[in-house]
Amino acid sequence: NAGVTQTPKFRVLKTGQSMTLLCAQDMNHEYMYWYRQDPGMGLRLIHYSVGEGTTAKGEVPDGYNVSRLKKQNFLLGLESAAPSQTSVYFCASSYPSGTPTDTQYFGPGTRLTVL
Amino acid sequence: GQNIDQPTEMTATEGAIVQINCTYQTSGFNGLFWYQQHAGEAPTFLSYNVLDGLEEKGRFSSFLSRSKGYSYLLLKELQMKDSASYLCAVRDDNYGQNFVFGPGTRLSVLP
Repeated sequence: NAGVTQTPKFRVLKTGQSMTLLCAQDMNHEYMYWYRQDPGMGLRLIHYSVGEGTTAKGEVPDGYNVSRLKKQNFLLGLESAAPSQTSVYFCASSYPSGTPTDTQYFGPGTRLTVL
Repeated sequence: GQNIDQPTEMTATEGAIVQINCTYQTSGFNGLFWYQQHAGEAPTFLSYNVLDGLEEKGRFSSFLSRSKGYSYLLLKELQMKDSASYLCAVRDDNYGQNFVFGPGTRLSVLP
C-alpha cells in the first residue's frame, strides 16, 4: 500500500516550457487535490476533483490545468511555465467528508523551479 | 471568504509544554484539522475537532471553540523530533467541502 505518490520529485523548467505532474493513490479515495506551498503562505488549493471525470477550480487555478481520467490518478499540467510557478506542489486524496477519519493524505511533494 | 491565522514561529525547550493557537473565520465550518510537517516532507494528520472541547491523543491535544472561531494544539513533554511546522486547516462546506489551510507555525524545540 503506497498511499499517495507523486512524480517527479524535482524538476527545473525554463520559462515557457510545459510539464505534467502525476499523482497516484491506491486507497480508492474519491477526492483528490493539488496544492502549492510557498513560504509564509501555507497550502493553497489549485484544483480538485470529487470523482473520476470531474474537476473543479480552487483558490489559485490560473496557469494550471488538470485531468482525472482514472479514479486513482490526478494530473496537473503547466502549459507555459512562469517563474511565479516556482513552488512545492503537493497532491492529496481523501474520502468524501462526513466522518472523523476522512482527513487528507498527502504525497511527498514535487519541488519545481522555473528559471 | 475564509481567513485562518496562526503565529509564524514559536520556540520551546525540550520537555516543556507549548500551545499553538489558531483563529479562523469561515462561513460553512465542518471540522478543524491539525497537521504536522517536517522540513522538506509532506503534511501528516495529527488531530481533528468538529465539536467544542478537547481531544487528546497521547502527548498531543487539540481544543476547539466554534463560537469563538478558535482552536489550539497542545504539545506536552516536547521532544527534539517535534521541531516542525504545524498547520491548522478548516473544512468549509461553502467551499466545496474543501480544506482551507493557515500559514503554519514553525516550532523549534531547543535542548
